[in-house]
Amino acid sequence: SQTIHQWPATLVQPVGSPLSLECTVEGTSNPNLYWYRQAAGRGLQLLFYSVGIGQISSEVPQNLSASRPQDRQFILSSKKLLLSDSGFYLCAWSRASSTFGSGTRLTVV
Amino acid sequence: GENVEQHPSTLSVQEGDSAVIKCTYSDSASNYFPWYKQELGKRPQLIIDIRSNVGEKKDQRIAVTLNKTAKHFSLHITETQPEDSAVYFCAASIGTGGGNKLTFGTGTQLKVEL
Repeated sequence: SQTIHQWPATLVQPVGSPLSLECTVEGTSNPNLYWYRQAAGRGLQLLFYSVGIGQISSEVPQNLSASRPQDRQFILSSKKLLLSDSGFYLCAWSRASSTFGSGTRLTVV
Repeated sequence: GENVEQHPSTLSVQEGDSAVIKCTYSDSASNYFPWYKQELGKRPQLIIDIRSNVGEKKDQRIAVTLNKTAKHFSLHITETQPEDSAVYFCAASIGTGGGNKLTFGTGTQLKVEL
């Protein structure tokens, strides 16, 4: 069966510090992978999606970037965090439907 | 791009009553409509989905209806229970063989009161 792992679960980072969130998928090959952000009490906003290694599409202009160095690995990064980057970050993979990872709650202070 | 609107933003019902959440979408090419349930602090979980070649789908106490002409779809929960309390999100996408890029509604906070 397919599983999706996301870490860390929580993260508190100072403004201006770098960020790296990692997501891996097991039990499937060549999945479509997604990064979503959810602000407190709000809906889910698609940030990036990838249909294959090295292929990244950005949905909204922002302070973040994504990379897919391996088929089952998707990384969300920032060189310098802003206060507005705080939120709940969710990785997802899909074939027929989308399955989410457990999420990372990021607080930028 | 796709735009999904969801109503109401909050919904309070008595245990045993029915709950209905409605969504509209803008892109007539969208053909896949999932519904997710998110409990506080947890990941969204898929509870039911429907494709555009189907008008209605039911799974026990949960049903979804789709009106392609009007571009709206609804979630129906019957005989609500306290454990149904959560935030529910609708979504729409143009599904391909490789997966779906979802556009989400803004969510409905459902509270089932005893």
